[in-house]
Amino acid sequence: DVKVTQSSRYLVKRTGEKVFLECVQDMDHENMFWYRQDPGLGLRLIYFSYDVKMKEKGDIPEGYSVSREKKERFSLILESASTNQTSMYLCATSGGGKEKLFFGSGTQLSVL
Amino acid sequence: LAKTTQPISMDSYEGQEVNITCSHNNIATNDYITWYQQFPSQGPRFIIQGYKTKVTNEVASLFIPADRKSSTLSLPRVSLSDTAVYYCLVGALGSTLTFGKGTMLLVSP
Repeated sequence: DVKVTQSSRYLVKRTGEKVFLECVQDMDHENMFWYRQDPGLGLRLIYFSYDVKMKEKGDIPEGYSVSREKKERFSLILESASTNQTSMYLCATSGGGKEKLFFGSGTQLSVL
Repeated sequence: LAKTTQPISMDSYEGQEVNITCSHNNIATNDYITWYQQFPSQGPRFIIQGYKTKVTNEVASLFIPADRKSSTLSLPRVSLSDTAVYYCLVGALGSTLTFGKGTMLLVSP
């Protein structure tokens, strides 16, 4: 089975802090994605990457950046966390020509 | 990307068959239809994917009419553990997929 591991299950940060959310996958998938999920809004795509050192903006990239230095790792960066970035963050991967997304368990981030 | 419309919520009882319909009137020729299931505090999980007619796996069936403007996810004999949010997604292979708000299915005893 594909394993998508997110570094933290719960995270509490203060406004203005720089926050790193890490995602690691073990299936050699080319594609990796970061979503956030908020009550009543469903999942919204922040950034995605189809290859190492490659990144594309999703629907809501403002306030975020990403890094993909290695194929298995995709990091989401909040340069200066704000309270409106309090959310559940979900990492996903896909690959091998299949469009099945595999998700991690999520990181519930609270920005105080 | 084709926009999808599905009911916000549905209620059912254990042992019943549940059918969740998704409308996607502007589906493109290359688009596939994919359904995901999400439990609270977990990431979504792939259920089934199809292009036309009918697809069946060990979990569900997916019915797609000839015009492909809608699709129906069918869950046979649901149990309490099927209580979850179900998402219908439409898109071409290789494209990014947009999740809507999904359908909250509540299964009662």
